[in-house]
Amino acid sequence: QVQLQESGPGLVKPSETLSLTCTVSGGSMSTYYWSWIRQSPGKGLEWIGYIFYSGTTNYNPSLKSRVTISVDTSRNQFSLKLTSVTAADTAVYYCARLMGSSSGGDFDYWGQGTLVTVSS
Amino acid sequence: SSELTQDPAVSVALGQTVRITCQGDSLRTYYTTWYQQKPGQAPVLVFYGRNNRPSGIPDRFSGSSSGNTASLTITGAQAEDEADYFCNSRDSSGIHLVFGGGTKLTVL
Repeated sequence: QVQLQESGPGLVKPSETLSLTCTVSGGSMSTYYWSWIRQSPGKGLEWIGYIFYSGTTNYNPSLKSRVTISVDTSRNQFSLKLTSVTAADTAVYYCARLMGSSSGGDFDYWGQGTLVTVSS
Repeated sequence: SSELTQDPAVSVALGQTVRITCQGDSLRTYYTTWYQQKPGQAPVLVFYGRNNRPSGIPDRFSGSSSGNTASLTITGAQAEDEADYFCNSRDSSGIHLVFGGGTKLTVL
């Protein structure tokens, strides 16, 4: 059974960089896309971006200038960096596996989510 | 605002059938994926692709599409189906992914 677990600071100061890591266990990262999704308190889901196991990336245009997603298959991890954060970036951040079997976003495994608060 | 539009809230009587819709121009071209999210939990994939239901998802959940509208139908809604439902697909460029705003389903 594939499991994903997010880790990283729960509090980030405004203008600083949010950094999260997702550790994948129970399966290989090969042949899949690995994604970050966030959800502001009481709001809907927002796709941040994804990375293929080989390193190819695809980012949400509204966040592209501030986002970097990287992968380390040797450690079974992928990471998110979001620069110049503001209070609007406060959200629960999820990592998820994207099957890529259909043209929609078919995320079949999700982490439990981690709340990141942007505040001084 | 999202390129995929969902009704904010829908209600259904216990045991009845409910359809949750998602509208967007990109849905004429790309498949829609559906997620169920209960309070404090991560979303769960309930339907994807042309006609796929993940293992463990009851067969009362089904999906369909016509024109620019995709639908998730729950036939015989149960109390445990009360949740938020989100659709997901490609945006108008076909390159990026986008979620609908979500529909809160209440089972009466």
